[in-house]
Amino acid sequence: QQQVKQSPQSLIVQKGGISIINCAYENTAFDYFPWYQQFPGKGPALLIAIRPDVSEKKEGRFTISFNKSAKQFSLHIMDSQPGDSATYFCAASSGAGSYQLTFGKGTKLSVIP
Amino acid sequence: GAGVSQSPSNKVTEKGKDVELRCDPISGHTALYWYRQSLGQGLEFLIYFQGNSAPDKSGLPSDRFSAERTGGSVSTLTIQRTQQEDSAVYLCASSQSPHRGSSPLHFGNGTRLTVT
Repeated sequence: QQQVKQSPQSLIVQKGGISIINCAYENTAFDYFPWYQQFPGKGPALLIAIRPDVSEKKEGRFTISFNKSAKQFSLHIMDSQPGDSATYFCAASSGAGSYQLTFGKGTKLSVIP
Repeated sequence: GAGVSQSPSNKVTEKGKDVELRCDPISGHTALYWYRQSLGQGLEFLIYFQGNSAPDKSGLPSDRFSAERTGGSVSTLTIQRTQQEDSAVYLCASSQSPHRGSSPLHFGNGTRLTVT
């Protein structure tokens, strides 16, 4: 059972545009929602994270929007740059258990000049 | 400081052979995770170690997979009698504590395993 559904699978955006990646979850026990960025040949690295007590978190050009009632969250990349081209993974975890993260399947973002 | 180190970076093995993958976490990190990343898939949780507690093995896909963590530091993931479906990138991550709100996972660059 896929507990975190991510879309789209791939995304092409013009330089300067807005990239939007969406995720939906099923487990209402999830209370931590990070986004990871992965470049080819590298491991994922934490980009930004949010908890459900806030509806939005912004760090530089990256913003997470969170809708608890819809069980959805999204990543917005403003003024997208070619250097942002990477695979982005949303994830979720709950306070119980071993704090394992459940990841979406990833979105491959290509920002073209 | 040094990040999470994994070795080898690439491993090609024949079906039926055993393989060992190694992970050196960041010094001082008490939590260690193994994930598997298959082509076009997300990251699949395999196993979690926290200090001296019993590991959470709930993600191991079969009894051919095992892992250990010696001295609370280095970890080895062993796959016995490898199958072609085991081909994937195996990622190790560590974190300073299990309190993930203040301690993100730091991933290594992975071991790419190819079973022929």
